[in-house]
Amino acid sequence: AQKVTQAQTEISVVEKEDVTLDCVYETRDTTYYLFWYKQPPSGELVFLIRRNSFDEQNEISGRYSWNFQKSTSSFNFTITASQVVDSAVYFCALSEAPYNQGGKLIFGQGTELSVKP
Amino acid sequence: GAVVSQHPSWVICKSGTSVKIECRSLDFQATTMFWYRQFPKQSLMLMATSNEGSKATYEQGVEKDKFLINHASLTLSTLTVTSAHPEDSSFYICSARDGVDGYTFGSGTRLTVV
Repeated sequence: AQKVTQAQTEISVVEKEDVTLDCVYETRDTTYYLFWYKQPPSGELVFLIRRNSFDEQNEISGRYSWNFQKSTSSFNFTITASQVVDSAVYFCALSEAPYNQGGKLIFGQGTELSVKP
Repeated sequence: GAVVSQHPSWVICKSGTSVKIECRSLDFQATTMFWYRQFPKQSLMLMATSNEGSKATYEQGVEKDKFLINHASLTLSTLTVTSAHPEDSSFYICSARDGVDGYTFGSGTRLTVV
Protein backbone atom coordinates (compact mmCIF):
# COMPACT_ATOMS: atom_id res chain seq x y z
CA ALA A 1 0.00 0.00 0.00
CA GLN A 2 1.09 3.54 -0.65
CA LYS A 3 2.24 5.64 2.26
CA VAL A 4 3.83 9.04 2.72
CA THR A 5 5.68 9.95 5.90
CA GLN A 6 6.66 13.43 6.97
CA ALA A 7 8.41 12.86 10.25
CA GLN A 8 8.76 16.53 11.12
CA THR A 9 5.49 17.75 12.59
CA GLU A 10 6.64 21.29 13.28
CA ILE A 11 9.72 23.27 12.36
CA SER A 12 10.56 26.73 13.56
CA VAL A 13 13.33 28.81 12.00
CA VAL A 14 14.44 32.39 11.99
CA GLU A 15 14.12 34.39 8.81
CA LYS A 16 16.95 33.87 6.29
CA GLU A 17 17.76 30.43 7.59
CA ASP A 18 17.64 27.49 5.20
CA VAL A 19 15.20 24.72 6.07
CA THR A 20 14.65 21.22 4.69
CA LEU A 21 11.37 19.39 4.93
CA ASP A 22 11.66 15.64 4.76
CA CYS A 23 9.39 13.26 2.87
CA VAL A 24 9.69 9.49 2.67
CA TYR A 25 7.30 7.41 0.62
CA GLU A 26 6.36 3.79 0.13
CA THR A 27 4.90 2.28 -3.00
CA ARG A 28 5.09 -0.92 -4.98
CA ASP A 29 4.33 0.86 -8.22
CA THR A 30 7.17 1.50 -10.65
CA THR A 31 5.35 4.47 -12.12
CA TYR A 32 4.18 7.12 -9.71
CA TYR A 33 4.18 10.86 -9.13
CA LEU A 34 5.25 12.86 -6.12
CA PHE A 35 3.95 16.28 -5.18
CA TRP A 36 4.52 19.07 -2.72
CA TYR A 37 1.76 21.45 -1.70
CA LYS A 38 1.72 24.50 0.54
CA GLN A 39 -1.30 25.19 2.74
CA PRO A 40 -1.35 28.71 4.21
CA PRO A 41 -3.73 29.58 7.05
CA SER A 42 -6.48 30.35 4.53
CA GLY A 43 -6.68 26.61 3.89
CA GLU A 44 -6.36 26.40 0.16
CA LEU A 45 -3.70 24.13 -1.27
CA VAL A 46 -1.00 25.71 -3.39
CA PHE A 47 0.70 23.41 -5.86
CA LEU A 48 4.50 23.59 -5.71
CA ILE A 49 5.89 20.72 -7.74
CA ARG A 50 5.14 17.41 -9.41
CA ARG A 51 7.84 14.86 -10.14
CA ASN A 52 7.47 11.52 -11.88
CA SER A 53 9.28 8.40 -10.78
CA PHE A 54 11.49 8.31 -13.85
CA ASP A 55 12.93 11.78 -13.37
CA GLU A 56 15.43 11.91 -10.55
CA GLN A 57 16.89 15.25 -11.48
CA ASN A 58 16.89 17.75 -8.69
CA GLU A 59 14.88 20.86 -9.34
CA ILE A 60 15.33 24.45 -8.30
CA SER A 61 12.73 27.15 -8.50
CA GLY A 62 13.85 30.41 -6.97
CA ARG A 63 14.39 29.80 -3.27
CA TYR A 64 12.82 26.36 -3.49
CA SER A 65 14.64 23.17 -4.37
CA TRP A 66 13.73 19.51 -4.34
CA ASN A 67 15.91 16.45 -3.94
CA PHE A 68 14.42 13.20 -5.25
CA GLN A 69 16.27 10.00 -4.39
CA LYS A 70 14.63 6.74 -5.40
CA SER A 71 17.32 4.74 -3.59
CA THR A 72 16.06 6.07 -0.27
CA SER A 73 12.46 6.70 -1.36
CA SER A 74 12.76 10.31 -0.39
CA PHE A 75 11.61 13.57 -1.91
CA ASN A 76 12.90 16.35 0.30
CA PHE A 77 12.10 20.03 -0.05
CA THR A 78 14.50 22.84 0.84
CA ILE A 79 13.68 26.50 1.25
CA THR A 80 16.73 28.72 1.04
CA ALA A 81 16.81 32.03 2.90
CA SER A 82 13.39 31.49 4.43
CA GLN A 83 10.94 34.35 4.74
CA VAL A 84 8.01 34.97 7.05
CA VAL A 85 5.65 34.43 4.10
CA ASP A 86 6.90 30.85 3.88
CA SER A 87 5.10 30.08 7.13
CA ALA A 88 2.50 27.43 6.31
CA VAL A 89 1.83 23.72 6.44
CA TYR A 90 3.60 21.80 3.71
CA PHE A 91 2.33 18.48 2.43
CA CYS A 92 4.13 15.84 0.45
CA ALA A 93 1.86 13.56 -1.58
CA LEU A 94 2.05 10.47 -3.74
CA SER A 95 -0.30 9.65 -6.57
CA GLU A 96 -1.44 6.12 -6.90
CA ALA A 97 -0.89 4.53 -10.28
CA PRO A 98 -2.27 4.61 -12.85
CA TYR A 99 -1.74 8.34 -12.64
CA ASN A 100 -3.42 9.16 -15.91
CA GLN A 101 -6.51 7.16 -15.03
CA GLY A 102 -7.60 8.98 -11.92
CA GLY A 103 -5.22 7.61 -9.35
CA LYS A 104 -5.75 8.79 -5.80
CA LEU A 105 -3.49 11.29 -4.12
CA ILE A 106 -2.17 10.15 -0.77
CA PHE A 107 -0.93 12.86 1.61
CA GLY A 108 1.69 12.82 4.28
CA GLN A 109 0.91 14.17 7.72
CA GLY A 110 2.20 17.62 6.88
CA THR A 111 4.96 19.76 8.35
CA GLU A 112 4.05 23.08 9.91
CA LEU A 113 6.78 25.59 9.18
CA SER A 114 7.02 28.72 11.23
CA VAL A 115 9.44 31.38 10.09
CA LYS A 116 10.06 34.05 12.69
CA PRO A 117 11.33 37.52 11.88
CA GLY B 1 -4.46 27.18 -15.46
CA ALA B 2 -7.18 24.81 -14.39
CA VAL B 3 -9.58 26.15 -11.78
CA VAL B 4 -11.94 24.36 -9.43
CA SER B 5 -14.55 26.53 -7.78
CA GLN B 6 -15.83 25.29 -4.42
CA HIS B 7 -18.84 26.75 -2.61
CA PRO B 8 -19.63 27.71 0.01
CA SER B 9 -16.30 28.65 1.55
CA TRP B 10 -17.78 28.38 4.99
CA VAL B 11 -21.09 27.31 6.44
CA ILE B 12 -22.64 27.07 9.88
CA CYS B 13 -25.58 24.77 10.30
CA LYS B 14 -27.69 23.35 13.07
CA SER B 15 -27.27 19.80 14.22
CA GLY B 16 -29.55 17.45 12.30
CA THR B 17 -29.71 19.49 9.12
CA SER B 18 -28.06 18.70 5.79
CA VAL B 19 -25.44 20.74 4.00
CA LYS B 20 -24.47 20.61 0.33
CA ILE B 21 -21.02 21.56 -0.93
CA GLU B 22 -20.41 22.12 -4.63
CA CYS B 23 -17.28 21.78 -6.70
CA ARG B 24 -17.16 22.96 -10.27
CA SER B 25 -14.36 22.65 -12.77
CA LEU B 26 -14.45 25.96 -14.61
CA ASP B 27 -12.30 25.48 -17.64
CA PHE B 28 -11.89 21.76 -18.04
CA GLN B 29 -13.89 18.58 -17.81
CA ALA B 30 -13.34 16.55 -14.68
CA THR B 31 -14.13 12.90 -15.16
CA THR B 32 -12.86 12.18 -11.68
CA MET B 33 -13.16 14.27 -8.56
CA PHE B 34 -11.93 13.56 -5.06
CA TRP B 35 -13.32 14.67 -1.72
CA TYR B 36 -11.09 15.16 1.31
CA ARG B 37 -11.72 16.02 4.92
CA GLN B 38 -9.21 17.76 7.12
CA PHE B 39 -9.48 18.15 10.88
CA PRO B 40 -7.47 20.90 12.59
CA LYS B 41 -3.75 20.23 12.63
CA GLN B 42 -4.20 17.05 10.65
CA SER B 43 -3.61 15.84 7.12
CA LEU B 44 -6.07 15.59 4.28
CA MET B 45 -7.91 12.32 4.44
CA LEU B 46 -9.50 11.04 1.26
CA MET B 47 -13.19 10.39 1.76
CA ALA B 48 -14.28 9.28 -1.68
CA THR B 49 -13.59 9.29 -5.37
CA SER B 50 -16.40 10.34 -7.64
CA ASN B 51 -16.62 9.50 -11.28
CA GLU B 52 -18.99 11.23 -13.63
CA GLY B 53 -22.11 9.20 -14.21
CA SER B 54 -21.36 6.45 -11.74
CA LYS B 55 -21.47 5.79 -8.03
CA ALA B 56 -18.74 7.19 -5.86
CA THR B 57 -16.12 4.95 -4.33
CA TYR B 58 -15.82 5.54 -0.61
CA GLU B 59 -12.74 4.99 1.50
CA GLN B 60 -12.91 2.54 4.35
CA GLY B 61 -14.66 3.97 7.37
CA VAL B 62 -16.54 6.70 5.50
CA GLU B 63 -20.31 6.39 5.78
CA LYS B 64 -21.72 6.62 2.29
CA ASP B 65 -25.25 7.23 3.56
CA LYS B 66 -24.05 10.20 5.53
CA PHE B 67 -21.78 11.73 2.92
CA LEU B 68 -23.72 11.67 -0.33
CA ILE B 69 -21.69 12.36 -3.43
CA ASN B 70 -23.18 13.18 -6.80
CA HIS B 71 -21.17 13.68 -9.96
CA ALA B 72 -23.88 14.19 -12.52
CA SER B 73 -21.88 16.17 -15.04
CA LEU B 74 -18.30 16.53 -16.17
CA THR B 75 -18.01 19.88 -14.43
CA LEU B 76 -19.92 19.44 -11.17
CA SER B 77 -19.59 17.21 -8.14
CA THR B 78 -21.50 17.72 -4.91
CA LEU B 79 -21.00 16.45 -1.38
CA THR B 80 -24.01 16.46 0.91
CA VAL B 81 -23.46 15.97 4.61
CA THR B 82 -26.76 14.56 5.82
CA SER B 83 -28.03 14.94 9.37
CA ALA B 84 -24.90 16.79 10.34
CA HIS B 85 -23.58 16.60 13.88
CA PRO B 86 -20.88 18.59 15.67
CA GLU B 87 -18.32 15.85 15.01
CA ASP B 88 -18.79 16.46 11.28
CA SER B 89 -17.38 19.95 11.72
CA SER B 90 -14.29 20.00 9.57
CA PHE B 91 -12.62 21.46 6.50
CA TYR B 92 -13.82 19.76 3.32
CA ILE B 93 -11.87 20.16 0.11
CA CYS B 94 -12.38 18.75 -3.34
CA SER B 95 -9.95 18.15 -6.16
CA ALA B 96 -10.21 17.25 -9.78
CA ARG B 97 -7.82 15.62 -12.16
CA ASP B 98 -6.60 18.02 -14.80
CA GLY B 99 -4.10 17.70 -17.63
CA VAL B 100 -1.63 20.27 -16.33
CA ASP B 101 -0.58 19.99 -12.69
CA GLY B 102 -2.34 16.72 -12.18
CA TYR B 103 -4.74 17.68 -9.41
CA THR B 104 -6.48 21.00 -9.01
CA PHE B 105 -7.98 21.74 -5.62
CA GLY B 106 -10.95 23.82 -4.63
CA SER B 107 -10.49 26.46 -1.98
CA GLY B 108 -12.21 24.34 0.65
CA THR B 109 -15.33 24.60 2.80
CA ARG B 110 -15.19 25.11 6.52
CA LEU B 111 -18.22 23.42 8.05
CA THR B 112 -19.29 24.16 11.59
CA VAL B 113 -22.20 22.25 13.04
CA VAL B 114 -23.75 23.79 16.15
